[in-house]
Amino acid sequence: NAGVTQTPKFRILKIGQSMTLQCTQDMNHNYMYWYRQDPGMGLKLIYYSVGAGITDKGEVPNGYNVSRSTTEDFPLRLELAAPSQTSVYFCASSFPRVGGGQNTEAFFGQGTRLTVV
Amino acid sequence: AQSVAQPEDQVNVAEGNPLTVKCTYSVSGNPYLFWYVQYPNRGLQFLLKYITGDNLVKGSYGFEAEFNKSQTSFHLKKPSALVSDSALYFCAVRDGRNTPLVFGKGTRLSVIA
Repeated sequence: NAGVTQTPKFRILKIGQSMTLQCTQDMNHNYMYWYRQDPGMGLKLIYYSVGAGITDKGEVPNGYNVSRSTTEDFPLRLELAAPSQTSVYFCASSFPRVGGGQNTEAFFGQGTRLTVV
Repeated sequence: AQSVAQPEDQVNVAEGNPLTVKCTYSVSGNPYLFWYVQYPNRGLQFLLKYITGDNLVKGSYGFEAEFNKSQTSFHLKKPSALVSDSALYFCAVRDGRNTPLVFGKGTRLSVIA
């Protein structure tokens, strides 16, 4: 199993540009999450999804959009990049689908380091 | 709403000495508690969790944590620190099985040879 895979690993954007951060998982998890990590601030939840077709805002959703058309994929969209969105972004997943066991911890991708200039 | 506090930004310990990284939490229901470790330029790796049962839980790489309901704490411990344990440690809490994890700000552990 590859686990949670994020692409790209690094990206530099100009102010006002848009991009999509990709996240896919092969563990048959129904919950997926996007966090951002800023120095000294821990991880802040941006959006999460409890299953295909269902998404919810987290603590810091402004400036971002998500979609969940399949169980495996949970892309994060930045429409108008701003310097405040310079951060490291982590995708995570948890909870197997029905019959998959009792795991409750989240599994994380390797992160995407985004710089907006 | 749930929250996590890690009161120490940095913990320094000599190699071979015991280490403790502190965590306190606040939830409205029964807590699901987790510790993660992050090495430089890497994602978060799961160390251990408390869901129910024994208050002392054991995890990866010789780490353990003690759940204390009265003090709402879940401190991470290791009897003998290694230089390779130097990393950023995050405590996280979930209020029930169906809510997202809420993370603390992280504690940087430095183990000195």
